[in-house]
Amino acid sequence: AQSVSQHNHHVILSEAASLELGCNYSYGGTVNLFWYVQYPGQHLQLLLKYFSGDPLVKGIKGFEAEFIKSKFSFNLRKPSVQWSDTAEYFCAVNAKAGTALIFGKGTTLSVSS
Amino acid sequence: DVKVTQSSRYLVKRTGEKVFLECVQDMDHENMFWYRQDPGLGLRLIYFSYDVKMKEKGDIPEGYSVSREKKERFSLILESASTNQTSMYLCASSAPGQTYEQYFGPGTRLTVT
Repeated sequence: AQSVSQHNHHVILSEAASLELGCNYSYGGTVNLFWYVQYPGQHLQLLLKYFSGDPLVKGIKGFEAEFIKSKFSFNLRKPSVQWSDTAEYFCAVNAKAGTALIFGKGTTLSVSS
Repeated sequence: DVKVTQSSRYLVKRTGEKVFLECVQDMDHENMFWYRQDPGLGLRLIYFSYDVKMKEKGDIPEGYSVSREKKERFSLILESASTNQTSMYLCASSAPGQTYEQYFGPGTRLTVT
């Protein structure tokens, strides 16, 4: 069965620090990969997605993620975080378009100003 | 923009009550999903539907049922609410097309006392 592992439960950073959130998945075939974000009091929204092509994908608000197939990883990065990036971040995967997503347990990011 | 709406943001019910959570999407999406979100557990799939009157069990269907009589509406039913069903419930929809993206509603925070 597919599973998604997020390495960090809670990350605390100061503004302007660089961010990298780890995500690994277990599935041997072709996958679609996603990062979702949930800001306090708001609904889940898509940050970025990878289906095929360039393994470095760019999303909204300066986020990017790199798909490394050999490592089954899809880590999220941002060179300089802002206080407004405080949120919960979820990595997700599915093996077939239109099917349900398998989510990681989430990483809470707290950014202090 | 895709809009997914859920009937209530907050709901308080008593143990043993029958509870209906409603979800409506306005983009003619074929696929609809119900997840529950719990701290430290991420999002877990309860049920999904890929067409009217069709449904599939997710990872944690016990204690729940669903109904999809119209394409735009997907209902989650708690037949006899229990305290361990206190959670945030998220509805999502997607089209089986090129984007594969799931769009989420704002969630219903259900408390069972």
